Amino acid sequence: EDKVVQSPLSLVVHEGDTVTLNCSYEVTNFRSLLWYKQEKKAPTFLFMLTSSGIEKKSGRLSSILDKKELFSILNITATQTGDSAVYLCAVLPAPNTPLVFGKGTRLSVIA
Amino acid sequence: DGGITQSPKYLFRKEGQNVTLSCEQNLNHDAMYWYRQDPGQGLRLIYYSQIVNDFQKGDIAEGYSVSREKKESFPLTVTSAQKSPTAFYLCASSIWGGIAKNIQYFGAGTRLSVL
Repeated sequence: EDKVVQSPLSLVVHEGDTVTLNCSYEVTNFRSLLWYKQEKKAPTFLFMLTSSGIEKKSGRLSSILDKKELFSILNITATQTGDSAVYLCAVLPAPNTPLVFGKGTRLSVIA
Repeated sequence: DGGITQSPKYLFRKEGQNVTLSCEQNLNHDAMYWYRQDPGQGLRLIYYSQIVNDFQKGDIAEGYSVSREKKESFPLTVTSAQKSPTAFYLCASSIWGGIAKNIQYFGAGTRLSVL
């Protein structure tokens, strides 16, 4: 059974801290890994990773994939209260199959 | 504006009642999906459809039904057979096929509660 595990499940940090969110997976025929941010309602797309070792970056957020060890991390530097959200990791296990989602990490950034 | 529209935002169901959640997209996407989100559970797939007039069960299809008569519309019916329907329901769509095309875009969700 395809599985995506995120850790930690929840995290509380102070503004300005750097955080690392983890996503490990066990799927057949891995194709890609995606990160989403969910604040109140609709998850919004952050990154898609397909190759090991290539960092994707957007502002203070960055992500990297390790296909050998089957995990990805999402880093957020200089956190702000606006980063408070649930961060979802999803994996595409094979062509023409739906994404498999993890349970998410709830990040709370306090002033 | 292009996007995915879910309605209503809030819905209440009486016992024994079927209710239908609407999902419409104008992104010209082939595939559409329904997820259920419970606290601490992440997103669980209910049904998905790759093309018109075809759909597949996801991990938790029991107690739900769908139809795909038009490319832009994928309504979800929560039937009386679904014993624990209270949850947040998310609809998504994507282009189908190819690695880069499997980015799913989400609607704002419908929160369903039981009276």
